[in-house]
Amino acid sequence: DAKTTQPPSMDCAEGRAANLPCNHSTISGNEYVYWYRQIHSQGPQYIIHGLKNNETNEMASLIITEDRKSSTLILPHATLRDTAVYYCIVRDTLGSKSTFGDGTTLTVKP
Amino acid sequence: GAVVSQHPSWVICKSGTSVKIECRSLDFQATTMFWYRQFPKQSLMLMATSNEGSKATYEQGVEKDKFLINHASLTLSTLTVTSAHPEDSSFYICSANEGGRIDTEAFFGQGTRLTVV
Repeated sequence: DAKTTQPPSMDCAEGRAANLPCNHSTISGNEYVYWYRQIHSQGPQYIIHGLKNNETNEMASLIITEDRKSSTLILPHATLRDTAVYYCIVRDTLGSKSTFGDGTTLTVKP
Repeated sequence: GAVVSQHPSWVICKSGTSVKIECRSLDFQATTMFWYRQFPKQSLMLMATSNEGSKATYEQGVEKDKFLINHASLTLSTLTVTSAHPEDSSFYICSANEGGRIDTEAFFGQGTRLTVV
């Protein structure tokens, strides 16, 4: 699995967009980028994933650079409940195990 | 959506005893499930890959005789922590992918908090 690099922490004001970056410079052509988040003492929650194109769902948007070496998760209107650790993961071509890095602790402030 | 359920959510056991944790895929079949361990303020660490009908694959440094994994059906994998000690106290999490697809998300259980006293 490709290694991912994320900033350890970020703050965001409530109601504003939260933009969480992730570097995955060694990603292979068939590997997907996944984003999960983990609220304290819970299992990770799926947010979004993509291969090449930008993706959007009810939770977030995922912007993947053309060279696929980095991506950005966008929470368009952050709420206090979005405070969590966000993990960017690159899944191997068999779609099997997820290798977690250290993630970004996002703190949404009133 | 697909759900993965773990049981129990938390358990306290005495040192030297064994504890079994169940992971079930509720509405899909999972030929492969994964077990993770998470210590406080740390990320999830993959322990092993559980394969239905065959032996589990353990990550380097994980003792297979201590962490027994059984994946007897397409919807159930169990992790047994044998002869548990206080250092085994941790948050154990399982995940499963809907079988055969490479473009779907992994679904995670809610986790099991193990405390060994």
